[in-house]
Amino acid sequence: EVQLVESGGGLVQPGGSLRLSCAASGFTVSDYWMHWVRQAPGKGLVWVSCLNSDGSSTMYADSVKGRFTISRDNAKNTVYLQMNSLRTGDTAVYYCARGWTGAEGPAWWGQGTLVTVSS
Amino acid sequence: DVVMTQSPLSLPVTLGQPASISCRSSQSLVYSDGNTYLNWFQQRPGQSPRRLIYKVSKRDSGVPDRFSGSESGTDFTLKISRVEAEDVGVYYCMQGTHWPMYTFGQGTKLEIK
Repeated sequence: EVQLVESGGGLVQPGGSLRLSCAASGFTVSDYWMHWVRQAPGKGLVWVSCLNSDGSSTMYADSVKGRFTISRDNAKNTVYLQMNSLRTGDTAVYYCARGWTGAEGPAWWGQGTLVTVSS
Repeated sequence: DVVMTQSPLSLPVTLGQPASISCRSSQSLVYSDGNTYLNWFQQRPGQSPRRLIYKVSKRDSGVPDRFSGSESGTDFTLKISRVEAEDVGVYYCMQGTHWPMYTFGQGTKLEIK
């Protein structure tokens, strides 16, 4: 069974850092494009970042470029999102998702992990 | 960025009646391979999004056939032939053609009248 399980969310102060994890089972992350998408409380969906299947390219939304880094550990079949210089506007549920190709986008989603940036 | 505009934003529907959600893109979504990468997602209350439709009209595995997608130029439509109670939630369109700048519509909240 395909599963994506996010973890690592929590409360952090503005300017702080957090690393989210997305543990995959039922498939191999290196066979897919892996995405992070966020949803602020009561708001819509916003794409954040993705990593292509061969691991050669990472992409980011302008709002997080230079602050967030996506990576993966093939041995652990896990994808990460390192978030630095966090702002109150980064408060959201962060979803991990997989897709076959770049154009397909995020297709199969995990249950999400909540990040709250507040003093 | 490509802007995806959904309407209506709120959709009260009587059980058993049809429902229709519109999504308009600010640019063509035809990709270089000839496909149109327009997806529809359903987000039930308290759940993560689930993809229902990909490439405009292809249903994902397990999606009831009362859900269908269509297009007319840069206008896209999700139709539910007969709304059931389990269809309550928020529906989003999303374009992947202009990756990596994926963009979603604002969401349409479907509720039972």
